[in-house]
Amino acid sequence: DQQVKQNSPSLSVQEGRISILNCDYTNSMFDYFLWYKKYPAEGPTFLISISSIKDKNEDGRFTVFLNKSAKHLSLHIVPSQPGDSAVYFCAASYGSWGKLQFGAGTQVVVTP
Amino acid sequence: DTAVSQTPKYLVTQMGNDKSIKCEQNLGHDTMYWYKQDSKKFLKIMFSYNNKELIINETVPNRFSPKSPDKAHLNLHINSLELGDSAVYFCASSQPGTSGGGTDTQYFGPGTRLTVL
Repeated sequence: DQQVKQNSPSLSVQEGRISILNCDYTNSMFDYFLWYKKYPAEGPTFLISISSIKDKNEDGRFTVFLNKSAKHLSLHIVPSQPGDSAVYFCAASYGSWGKLQFGAGTQVVVTP
Repeated sequence: DTAVSQTPKYLVTQMGNDKSIKCEQNLGHDTMYWYKQDSKKFLKIMFSYNNKELIINETVPNRFSPKSPDKAHLNLHINSLELGDSAVYFCASSQPGTSGGGTDTQYFGPGTRLTVL
């Protein structure tokens, strides 16, 4: 039962433009959401997170938006850079002990 | 300095063998995890230990046995390996906050690619 879904397996964007990655979830108990970035042959690296009490969190070029009523979150990367080319995973958790549930990932390719 | 390290990085073995994957973190975290990334690229949690105590045990065959000799190490032993065990296994760690860990950032190791022939 996949409770976190990333329906776009890939995204291609030009350098300097905005990348928008989407994530949907089905479990209304989730209260903490994270985005991880993964390069080939490396482990996921934490990017940004948001608590369910907020609807937006910003960190430099990265902004995460949360729409609880729609059970949807998105990650905006502005401006996109070639080094942003990676797989981005959305993850969610609730309760104690950080049992993260991950989406399938979106492969982002930033072209010059 | 590598924060979360795993050995080996690659592991190729025959069906029926027993193998171990080691994980070490030097972040001083109390909680460690094992995740499995299958062929469909989903990352799924298998186990979690907090201060050497098992706190999450997902529906994983009992051929998989985690062992935490101290809070900096969490090893994964797999008995009687099967073809379906082929995957990338990631170790992670985090430091629980006052809420018990639900909002903690997890730091991942580089992964161990296990191939069962």
